[in-house]
Amino acid sequence: GAGVSQSPSNKVTEKGKDVELRCDPISGHTALYWYRQSLGQGLEFLIYFQGNSAPDKSGLPSDRFSAERTGGSVSTLTIQRTQQEDSAVYLCASSQSGSNTDTQYFGPGTRLTVL
Amino acid sequence: KQEVTQIPAALSVPEGENLVLNCSFTDSAIYNLQWFRQDPGKGLTSLLLIQSSQREQTSGRLNASLDKSSGRSTLYIAASQPGDSATYLCAVRLSGYSTLTFGKGTMLLVSP
Repeated sequence: GAGVSQSPSNKVTEKGKDVELRCDPISGHTALYWYRQSLGQGLEFLIYFQGNSAPDKSGLPSDRFSAERTGGSVSTLTIQRTQQEDSAVYLCASSQSGSNTDTQYFGPGTRLTVL
Repeated sequence: KQEVTQIPAALSVPEGENLVLNCSFTDSAIYNLQWFRQDPGKGLTSLLLIQSSQREQTSGRLNASLDKSSGRSTLYIAASQPGDSATYLCAVRLSGYSTLTFGKGTMLLVSP
């Protein structure tokens, strides 16, 4: 595709519900990243996928958060038993190979509101 | 742990002014530094990427400098325009890591 796409653009949910956020990276990009941007905070790294390697999950804030990447392309970030502090904009990015010289291209984000 | 700080948090200038945004980082073992622009409700757009071996990068009215030893970068915007209004984010990539560490950004407003 022309760029990174994310869906939904907005999600409102009730505390305790599970949510799934989707990311479609740029076609051919092997590296995919999830970040979270909370109000008044910088972007926080959540998880990183590179090809068929085991993902780097070091940024996931709790075991309620998980992500998968099927077929090396589309990724889904799942938040179980959502809490109000999970409210944030979740951004996905992809890069061509994940090398240190690569530019990361970001999607428009999903704004999650937990009531 | 790498920390990235951006000053000022917000900046308001009249159209036509030249301005400087500042970024500092605590761990100088970076591989590169990147400046992004974020418009409200939108994702991030990469503006400039400076490798650790470089001192500056230029694109149009934008010039970014990097002083790795002192842990500082500046983004210079010449002849600012209302369309430059956005949040500007600085991010560093540590050597050996593929993920980025971001500052909280500078919110810029350029008035006509």
